[in-house]
Amino acid sequence: ILNVEQSPQSLHVQEGDSTNFTCSFPSSNFYALHWYRWETAKSPEALFVMTLNGDEKKKGRISATLNTKEGYSYLYIKGSQPEDSATYLCAFIGGNNDMRFGAGTRLTVKP
Amino acid sequence: DAGITQSPRHKVTETGTPVTLRCHQTENHRYMYWYRQDPGHGLRLIHYSYGVKDTDKGEVSDGYSVSRSKTEDFLLTLESATSSQTSVYFCAISVDRDSEAFFGQGTRLTVV
Repeated sequence: ILNVEQSPQSLHVQEGDSTNFTCSFPSSNFYALHWYRWETAKSPEALFVMTLNGDEKKKGRISATLNTKEGYSYLYIKGSQPEDSATYLCAFIGGNNDMRFGAGTRLTVKP
Repeated sequence: DAGITQSPRHKVTETGTPVTLRCHQTENHRYMYWYRQDPGHGLRLIHYSYGVKDTDKGEVSDGYSVSRSKTEDFLLTLESATSSQTSVYFCAISVDRDSEAFFGQGTRLTVV
């Protein structure tokens, strides 16, 4: 993996469903991995900053895991609510000083 | 809210003209980034800065230049605007590489 890739590109779920997305990134030269939530007509806001292999972070119904050796991170949402509808972005920070984003997963939660 | 402002917020310009977008922060954060947002691409890094006068190219730097002569300001210049540079531009700041980034409100640029 040379770039930051996210899957799926979009997801439609019913209220109450649990869901998860994947972020794949280069497994070498890792420094940090961020997750952001981006609502329409707003600016992205940080959910998690993850730096250690095996990291697991949680904020309410949202959690994330990190595997730096194989180059992936999962974001989980338990019991999705309509207000969770947004685009979820991951950002890879490598040995350079840059911060590169994946194309995002657009989540729509139907009532 | 983090003190970060972008100006202008909207701009329409003609092909071939130079355009400068400004990102101003009051947080004294070391890192500043410029991204463009296009459908299907998320945020693509144009240029970034890791200190005053320290800048580097991102993924889509062709046709863009930047300057950072003060901690608080990061300027993005389109040297000769083209229609392919029509986009929404976001600035972001972070205190360090492993700290969350804060984003400006975006600048919508249309090149006609």
